[in-house]
Parts: sequence; C-alpha cells; structure tokens
Amino acid sequence: DIVMTQSPDSLAVSLGERATINCKSSQSVLYSFNNKNCLGWYQQKPGEPPKLLIYWASTRESGVPDRFSGSGSGTDFTLTISSLQAEDVAVYYCQQYCSPPQTFGQGTKLQIK
Amino acid sequence: EVHLVESGGGLVEPGGSLRLSCVVSDFTFSNAWMSWVRQAPGKGLEWVGHIKRESDGGTTDYAAPVKGRFIISRDDSKNTLYLQMNSLKTEDTGLYYCATNSWFDYWGQGALVAVSS
Repeated sequence: DIVMTQSPDSLAVSLGERATINCKSSQSVLYSFNNKNCLGWYQQKPGEPPKLLIYWASTRESGVPDRFSGSGSGTDFTLTISSLQAEDVAVYYCQQYCSPPQTFGQGTKLQIK
Repeated sequence: EVHLVESGGGLVEPGGSLRLSCVVSDFTFSNAWMSWVRQAPGKGLEWVGHIKRESDGGTTDYAAPVKGRFIISRDDSKNTLYLQMNSLKTEDTGLYYCATNSWFDYWGQGALVAVSS
C-alpha cells in the first residue's frame, strides 16, 4: 500500500500570510497513462464533508479560490494557500488515487495565529 | 447541482449487519466510479472501497480492514450506490460518506454507523 505522510500535523499562520502543507508518498504516484500525478487535496471544516480543492496534483477544482495551489511530482507534493483567510481554518488531507487501496494522509490542522 | 444522500445508518451490536444506500442526483451516475469513505470520531479519512462503472467491468476493490465483510454494489437504473456491512466490529464505528470518481469531487453528508453492545 502507498503510505501518505503529511507535515506538519498542525500549523498556525497569520491572516494574509502564506500557508504551506507538505505530503510525501511512500512510492511514486505518477500515472503512466497520462504522465500526471494522481494526487488530490481536500479541505474539511468541522461538521462538513471534505471538499475537493486540487486533483492531478495541481489542477484546481472549479470554484476553488486561486489562492489555493498544488505542486510537486513523484513522491513530494505541496498545497499552498498564498494569503490565508479566516474561512480557510480547516483540516487538510492529501490522497493518492493511483491504485487501490486509495490512501489519505493523516491530515494537517490549519489555524490562525 | 449534484446531490448525494446517504441513508441506512444506525446503532448495531458487534457481529450485526447494516446496509447503507447513497442516492445520487443531477449526475451521470452510470459513468462514474463510486467510493465509500469513512471517518471514525475525531479521526482522519479512510477509503473503504469502490466500484467501477459497468463499462470498466463494474468490479470492486476494498480496503484490507473490510475485505470479506463489506460488499459494494450499484444500481444504475436507480442512481444508487450500496454498502452492505456484515460482521460489524466496534472499530467500524464512524461517519460513512459516498463520493464520486477517483478524485472525490462530490460527497454526501454522511451516514452515522455506531457499533456497540
């Protein structure tokens, strides 16, 4: 199974500042059929289901603010929030969907400093 | 707007069974791989399993903790996904979400399953 490890486990950032969350996979998640990385990022607020932010490692889902961006390839990925807003307080998860079992990172809790 | 609505959750004793349903609307259900994802209280997300669309064989894959106990099925005529859960354990307690496609672009609100004596 592919193990997904996020860092840090929690993060406190000032409003308007940049937030960066890392995700490392135990093996490459490069999908050979389209040469894209099968890596997604989700945001989950308390009492709500997760919301897809990014797929194929860097493609922003429709309606997601452009302050959210994804980068990386192979085994190392990053979710960046360029200018933190109050509504971005949440837990963020990465996920690989290359092959079953699909696996999630343990989550990163993002708070306001 | 796409809607996914789970139902069938509840309290069950260890060893018991439950069947969850997920009705999907305003979405081309028959063309999608569908998954179940669960979340234990206060914990992270765990993929339970998925079912491919019929054109890809309609086959299923499961996470190791549920393999042999849970069965995922679908009825494309009813736009409905199912999760039959047998031999339930206390560690199966949690909120069960259905979600669309391989990257989960749409989610339901979840169905609560509590396994306790």
